[in-house]
Amino acid sequence: QQQVKQSPQSLIVQKGGISIINCAYENTAFDYFPWYQQFPGKGPALLIAIRPDVSEKKEGRFTISFNKSAKQFSLHIMDSQPGDSATYFCAAGQAAGNKLTFGGGTRVLVKP
Amino acid sequence: DADVTQTPRNRITKTGKRIMLECSQTKGHDRMYWYRQDPGLGLRLIYYSFDVKDINKGEISDGYSVSRQAQAKFSLSLESAIPNQTALYFCATSNSGSGNEQFFGPGTRLTVL
Repeated sequence: QQQVKQSPQSLIVQKGGISIINCAYENTAFDYFPWYQQFPGKGPALLIAIRPDVSEKKEGRFTISFNKSAKQFSLHIMDSQPGDSATYFCAAGQAAGNKLTFGGGTRVLVKP
Repeated sequence: DADVTQTPRNRITKTGKRIMLECSQTKGHDRMYWYRQDPGLGLRLIYYSFDVKDINKGEISDGYSVSRQAQAKFSLSLESAIPNQTALYFCATSNSGSGNEQFFGPGTRLTVL
């Protein structure tokens, strides 16, 4: 069973549009929520991460929104660019533990 | 990340064969992980090691074994490969002293016929 559920599995967005990916988790002990970005033929790389003491974190065009009561968090990619075309994984873990549980991934295609 | 290397990058083998996937890192990290990636299932943890003498099972360890030969080396073995072990395998590292970020290798694509 997946402790972290991610949706959608894939999405297509026009250049300049907003990409939104959602994740839900079950384990209330999780206190670290990263997003990883993976390009074809490469390993995933950390994109942005959030702790539950804040409801939003923004880095450039990427924003994480976090809803602790609903046990949900999402990634927003503003002004999507073709170079953002990749697979995105949400994950959850305990900050003290270093172990992560990953969502199923979302393949994003940004059309020019 | 070039600091985490995996060999081989691609491997085709037959059912019943023993396979070893190797991971090396030059980041000086103490923690190492093995994941497998399957479409729609994301990355699932097979085994992890927090130091040379510490080995722990992940969520899908059946059919796999690991060896932590040194702080920098962590190997994954399939004792008797089966077709449903066909997947993309990733090694990752992290440092217990400096945050939670995991650094992934380039992956090994394994096909079991």
